[in-house]
Amino acid sequence: GAVVSQHPSWVICKSGTSVKIECRSLDFQATTMFWYRQFPKQSLMLMATSNEGSKATYEQGVEKDKFLINHASLTLSTLTVTSAHPEDSSFYICSAKYYGYTFGSGTRLTVV
Amino acid sequence: KNQVEQSPQSLIILEGKNCTLQCNYTVSPFSNLRWYKQDTGRGPVSLTIMTFSENTKSNGRYTATLDADTKQSSLHITASQLSDSASYICVVSAGNMLTFGGGTRLMVKP
Repeated sequence: GAVVSQHPSWVICKSGTSVKIECRSLDFQATTMFWYRQFPKQSLMLMATSNEGSKATYEQGVEKDKFLINHASLTLSTLTVTSAHPEDSSFYICSAKYYGYTFGSGTRLTVV
Repeated sequence: KNQVEQSPQSLIILEGKNCTLQCNYTVSPFSNLRWYKQDTGRGPVSLTIMTFSENTKSNGRYTATLDADTKQSSLHITASQLSDSASYICVVSAGNMLTFGGGTRLMVKP
């Protein structure tokens, strides 16, 4: 079955630094990947749609200069949280569409 | 506005008991409805997917139903196990757009 690998599973960083999260489709090619953010006890909120070879499409209210998305290949999309602040601490999840939507295992980001 | 409402928000049951989770949606145009299980600190894992013409789908002890006329779905868990403790999320597709429900947090106690 389709597998989406997400790394790291957790990361702690200092305020003001940048953090990169990787999302890989292991056994299929994904022209489109999705990035979500999830706060405790809440459901997933779509942040952006990542398109291979083109610019990502961001949801309203999501700062594209803060959350940089790169989808340089058919199997890899990255989300970089730039100049992270404590309020960016959250659970970030990616997904890719392959006969349905497969999700990565998520990344817990803590900014201190 | 597309919306997916799930109930209850949380549920506690004893191990071995059955339970049913509800999902009501107002999503148009409807493509399909998925139920996902999300363990704490993990990504969602697909349980079932149903299209407009399907009214029931099973995956082991999980059985999902869909009533496209009333725009309601349910997820029935039989003979619950401690490992069933998780959040269950109903997701409705309108083309390539997904609308997520708020989830039901299930806790199975011994």
